Amino acid sequence: GAVVSQHPSRVICKSGTSVKIECRSLDFQATTMFWYRQFPKQSLMLMATSNEGSKATYEQGVEKDKFLINHASLTLSTLTVTSAHPEDSSFYICSARDLGHSTDTQYFGPGTRLTVL
Amino acid sequence: GENVEQHPSTLSVQEGDSAVIKCTYSDSASNYFPWYKQELGKRPQLIIDIRSNVGEKKDQRIAVTLNKTAKHFSLHITETQPEDSAVYFCAATPGGYQKVTFGIGTKLQVIP
Repeated sequence: GAVVSQHPSRVICKSGTSVKIECRSLDFQATTMFWYRQFPKQSLMLMATSNEGSKATYEQGVEKDKFLINHASLTLSTLTVTSAHPEDSSFYICSARDLGHSTDTQYFGPGTRLTVL
Repeated sequence: GENVEQHPSTLSVQEGDSAVIKCTYSDSASNYFPWYKQELGKRPQLIIDIRSNVGEKKDQRIAVTLNKTAKHFSLHITETQPEDSAVYFCAATPGGYQKVTFGIGTKLQVIP
């Protein structure tokens, strides 16, 4: 199946700093990628839909100025958590769909665990 | 928007028994229903999916059924094994590039 990578896998930062998370589709092109947030023992909550070459679509309640998304190519989307606070600590997971197949299957990255001190 | 409800939230079964997880959805436009398995600290992995033009799909010990009229779909795992222990998520989407809505998850524990 298609492979999606994320970097870094873990990051610890101080309050007020910014953190960038990368999501890459390694063996396929993805016009659309999705960013999720997952708290312990909870479900995946969609934060935003990242569209190559255009602005991201944010879900209700997600601050677009705090969670900056850039989808500059068909294989890379980045999520930047700006002015991080301890409540931003979470597991962030991206997913992508394979343009080359008609399937609606989403392939998930391994996730990034963010800890804000 | 779509709302997916999933139950039970936790499920314990003896090894060898069957496990059933049920989901309902609200948006009649949804036509693709994937199931994901997530082990602790890892990414969700697609285990099976079904489309609205199919009522049932099976893959070895795993099967999914869909009742489009009632907006119900279920995951069935037979002959459970300890390695089946994980959190399972159901999901629904209209497909294409539209978003996927996930259920709350079911923590399955298979007791040896």
